[in-house]
Amino acid sequence: GAVVSQHPSWVICKSGTSVKIECRSLDFQATTMFWYRQFPKQSLMLMATSNEGSKATYEQGVEKDKFLINHASLTLSTLTVTSAHPEDSSFYICSALTGPVAYNSPLHFGNGTRLTVT
Amino acid sequence: DAKTTQPPSMDCAEGRAANLPCNHSTISGNEYVYWYRQIHSQGPQYIIHGLKNNETNEMASLIITEDRKSSTLILPHATLRDTAVYYCIVRVSRTNAGKSTFGDGTTLTVKP
Repeated sequence: GAVVSQHPSWVICKSGTSVKIECRSLDFQATTMFWYRQFPKQSLMLMATSNEGSKATYEQGVEKDKFLINHASLTLSTLTVTSAHPEDSSFYICSALTGPVAYNSPLHFGNGTRLTVT
Repeated sequence: DAKTTQPPSMDCAEGRAANLPCNHSTISGNEYVYWYRQIHSQGPQYIIHGLKNNETNEMASLIITEDRKSSTLILPHATLRDTAVYYCIVRVSRTNAGKSTFGDGTTLTVKP
């Protein structure tokens, strides 16, 4: 159980275009989802916290107008990289917590999206 | 959340037990210890978590010392597919779950 599906697994886009990444919880409702980016040989860096039905909370230094997050349902959060540039090329990963019952529930991660901006 | 310290790398022979240590000397009483792993070019995978008792599931065992200042993740019969970066996380609040600092983890290499 607790499967998180992320799509697409990889995408190549041209500089200046926008890319949407989807994160779905397949067998549970995720009131909270998280978005990370990871550069080669580095650890995960939290970008933002996405709560269903409310605005995302962004980490310091993350441009909210560039990385648009929408969490319109309990099973879907999307990250849109707007006006992408080559420096946005990275590995983007989402994670989700299971429902509100167990406060010690672990994070469940998607398989990541490799974004390459040319 | 408390900080954790892990060795940067470890090797293990295929079929043998892999014992991955984690130091969390500043852990507080209500903080859980979580272990995840990340295989190259994939998202992290949850392995196991515990508070103070030892835990076991189909993937691994978690041994937490009595003073809770350190823990060990045990993969009983390591396979080549267990080669990955292993992260030990300490966390208390689900509201801060996403802020869990993954650090650099331990790169486990299982060798034939």
